[in-house]
Amino acid sequence: DIQMTQSPSSLSASVGDRVTITCRASQTINKYLNWYQQKPGKAPKLLIYVASNLQSGVPSRFSGSGSGTDFTLTISSLQPEDSATYFCQQSYSPPRTFGGGTKVEIK
Amino acid sequence: EVQLVESGGGVVRPGGSLRLSCAASGFTFDDYGMSWVRQVPGKGLEWVSGINGNGGTLGYGDSLQGRFTVSRDNAKNSLFLQMNSLRAEDTALYYCARDGGFSGYLDYWGQGTLVTVSS
Repeated sequence: DIQMTQSPSSLSASVGDRVTITCRASQTINKYLNWYQQKPGKAPKLLIYVASNLQSGVPSRFSGSGSGTDFTLTISSLQPEDSATYFCQQSYSPPRTFGGGTKVEIK
Repeated sequence: EVQLVESGGGVVRPGGSLRLSCAASGFTFDDYGMSWVRQVPGKGLEWVSGINGNGGTLGYGDSLQGRFTVSRDNAKNSLFLQMNSLRAEDTALYYCARDGGFSGYLDYWGQGTLVTVSS
């Protein structure tokens, strides 16, 4: 199975800050990497698919990059509503494993 | 509007069985693969299983093969997860989600159904 490692596990940043979350795969997954946002009590929401494609309706301050084994999710200017947990997921091969999550808090 | 509504969760004793269902609407069901994802409250996400539009399975998560079986009924726009030999560690909120395309990303999710395995 492909292991997905996210870092950091949590972070605290101020409104307007640039925030970067990384995700590393245990083997190459080409660009089959997706990012989700989850708020408490809610289902996850797709943000980015296939490494860098912004899902419809997602604000443009979210962006994704990477290929192979190393990927990043960037929030260019953190907003209060971005307080959530973010998960990466590989869809290169089953089982389509998730990273452990990154909790983003607003200072 | 795409809607996914899970049902069938509940409390079950260790070793018992449950069948989860997911009713889909708002899209052409057999055009899309579907997945089950679970989450222990307060913890991370775990991919459970997936199935393509024709009913071919995409495998199962670790330790689930042989105990869980995914299936679908395209005539009824429904996805199922048969869970047997349940263990305490299977306690979680179970989500169904739509595969948005061939790349396997999950673009729509239900609100989940809670499974509690306890004696």
